[in-house]
Amino acid sequence: DVKVTQSSRYLVKRTGEKVFLECVQDMDHENMFWYRQDPGLGLRLIYFSYDVKMKEKGDIPEGYSVSREKKERFSLILESASTNQTSMYLCASSYARGAVPQHFGDGTRLSIL
Amino acid sequence: GQQVMQIPQYQHVQEGEDFTTYCNSSTTLSNIQWYKQRPGGHPVFLIQLVKSGEVKKQKRLTFQFGEAKKNSSLHITATQTTDVGTYFCAGGTSYGKLTFGQGTILTVHP
Repeated sequence: DVKVTQSSRYLVKRTGEKVFLECVQDMDHENMFWYRQDPGLGLRLIYFSYDVKMKEKGDIPEGYSVSREKKERFSLILESASTNQTSMYLCASSYARGAVPQHFGDGTRLSIL
Repeated sequence: GQQVMQIPQYQHVQEGEDFTTYCNSSTTLSNIQWYKQRPGGHPVFLIQLVKSGEVKKQKRLTFQFGEAKKNSSLHITATQTTDVGTYFCAGGTSYGKLTFGQGTILTVHP
């Protein structure tokens, strides 16, 4: 069974801090994704990666960056956290490009004070 | 860019009643996927539709993909309390990127 693990379930940070959210998958999946989930807005794609050291912007990349140094690990970075980045962050992975299911982690609920 | 609209946002039903959620895309989709998120949980893949006009069933759940591949629906017959959660559609591109709808939150009263 696919396991996508996010490093923290809950996180509280202060405005202006640099924040790292980590995601690890154990199934040798090619693709990894970062979403944020807000009530009434569904899941919105921030960044995704189809290969190591490769990244592509999603629909709402502003204020975020990512890093994928190893295939199994995909990090989301908030360069200077702001209160409007308070949200639930979900990481997902899939085994190939194309029409395949995505497998999600349990999410990190991030609060920026 | 691609937009996927999902309605209704909320649906409250009595146990045993039917439930339907609808999804519409601004562009033609390569495929559509459906996910279920239980309260406090993460989205879990339910099914994928690829062909125009496709209909798939999973027990009490029926999924349809429109002829123009721009809309889809999920219908649950005779809801049970275990059906509670948020149902998301997600429109897919040929290279794997998904655009999620806003989700429908289903509450089932026993």
